[in-house]
Amino acid sequence: DARVTQTPRHKVTEMGQEVTMRCQPILGHNTVFWYRQTMMQGLELLAYFRNRAPLDDSGMPKDRFSAEMPDATLATLKIQPSEPRDSAVYFCASGLWQGGTGANVLTFGAGSRLTVL
Amino acid sequence: GDSVTQMEGPVTLSEEAFLTINCTYTATGYPSLFWYVQYPGEGLQLLLKATKADDKGSNKGFEATYRKETTSFHLEKGSVQVSDSAVYFCALSSSGSARQLTFGSGTQLTVLP
Repeated sequence: DARVTQTPRHKVTEMGQEVTMRCQPILGHNTVFWYRQTMMQGLELLAYFRNRAPLDDSGMPKDRFSAEMPDATLATLKIQPSEPRDSAVYFCASGLWQGGTGANVLTFGAGSRLTVL
Repeated sequence: GDSVTQMEGPVTLSEEAFLTINCTYTATGYPSLFWYVQYPGEGLQLLLKATKADDKGSNKGFEATYRKETTSFHLEKGSVQVSDSAVYFCALSSSGSARQLTFGSGTQLTVLP
């Protein structure tokens, strides 16, 4: 089965440190999403790429978060500097956008659990 | 803007009980509707989908019917199992939305033996 691969699965770091999370989308998918999941806020969309171009990052705190797709096989989400309130599970998802009705299915990775002390 | 409202959890049922999780939506245009499931420690997985009014999505004994007149997509299963314990998310995809998928807040289901 094709899958979305995320690394690291778990990360514990101290406040102020830089954190980079990586995602390998499914080969052939042209959309990539980053979500953050917490108990309090649920699932929040942070950033969305189509054909490697960022289309929507309005959900992302710009002062400390950045998302990039250096190539079609890698998406990164970076937090610098990290804060305790960033503790959450970060999910990457990929899909195939074909326009039209928007009936696009996303495949999620297993997530990166981040703890900032 | 687009939004999805799900029945609040948690929901606790005994094995073999009937399950309904309510979902209603607000969207521009004609959205596609989805149910995703998240098992403990895992990412979300597509459970079923429906792309137009009156379509019924089904998978693993779960069903949901796209009701345009009531803007609803309620999830049902006739006889739940312990292995169905998970968080269930209703979602919509609207062609008018750049965000592609709008998720509900999720409903935690626990099935007791």
